[in-house]
Amino acid sequence: NAGVTQTPKFRVLKTGQSMTLLCAQDMNHEYMYWYRQDPGMGLRLIHYSVGEGTTAKGEVPDGYNVSRLKKQNFLLGLESAAPSQTSVYFCASRDLDRNDEQYFGPGTRLTVT
Amino acid sequence: GQNIDQPTEMTATEGAIVQINCTYQTSGFNGLFWYQQHAGEAPTFLSYNVLDGLEEKGRFSSFLSRSKGYSYLLLKELQMKDSASYLCAVRGGANAGNNRKLIWGLGTSLAVNP
Repeated sequence: NAGVTQTPKFRVLKTGQSMTLLCAQDMNHEYMYWYRQDPGMGLRLIHYSVGEGTTAKGEVPDGYNVSRLKKQNFLLGLESAAPSQTSVYFCASRDLDRNDEQYFGPGTRLTVT
Repeated sequence: GQNIDQPTEMTATEGAIVQINCTYQTSGFNGLFWYQQHAGEAPTFLSYNVLDGLEEKGRFSSFLSRSKGYSYLLLKELQMKDSASYLCAVRGGANAGNNRKLIWGLGTSLAVNP
């Protein structure tokens, strides 16, 4: 049982480049989340999904897109990276029927130059 | 608006007891969570409270008062490995899907000194 995994762990992008962050979970969880964490800002929700084929905006969705084509995968896309998107990105998932414990992936450290 | 407040930093001594407070104002309430996050790592779940009172789990306890919008995390017999950030998070009400996500505090950075 790998839990929640994220790919890649580190990445450096130039301004304007695009990339996709992959989150995978093997716990059959319905809900999945993408957060970013910046010093002094705490965890901020980018997008989330309440099931396969569904997505919803969080508090900081601009500049990001997501897709949940398969239940176990949640992809976060940056179409045209900006230095303001330099951050640590965490994916999390939770089971619909449990008391909301979110399981986090190890994080992706992204630097945009 | 929705808001969660917790102290930014705290220090304590190894072997002592420390209490980290969290106050919240949210649209509806469906539970309060505490997570621990070591530097450079992902948050990990510590506790969940949905009813008033104290929940004890080993050296860690969490208390909730819904009428006061208040919770605390109590750490006993502090160890050096308890040096971490402690995040308070609230699940809101069903309005606007707030029960599907958590509202997070900025975290309290705890330093345990020998």
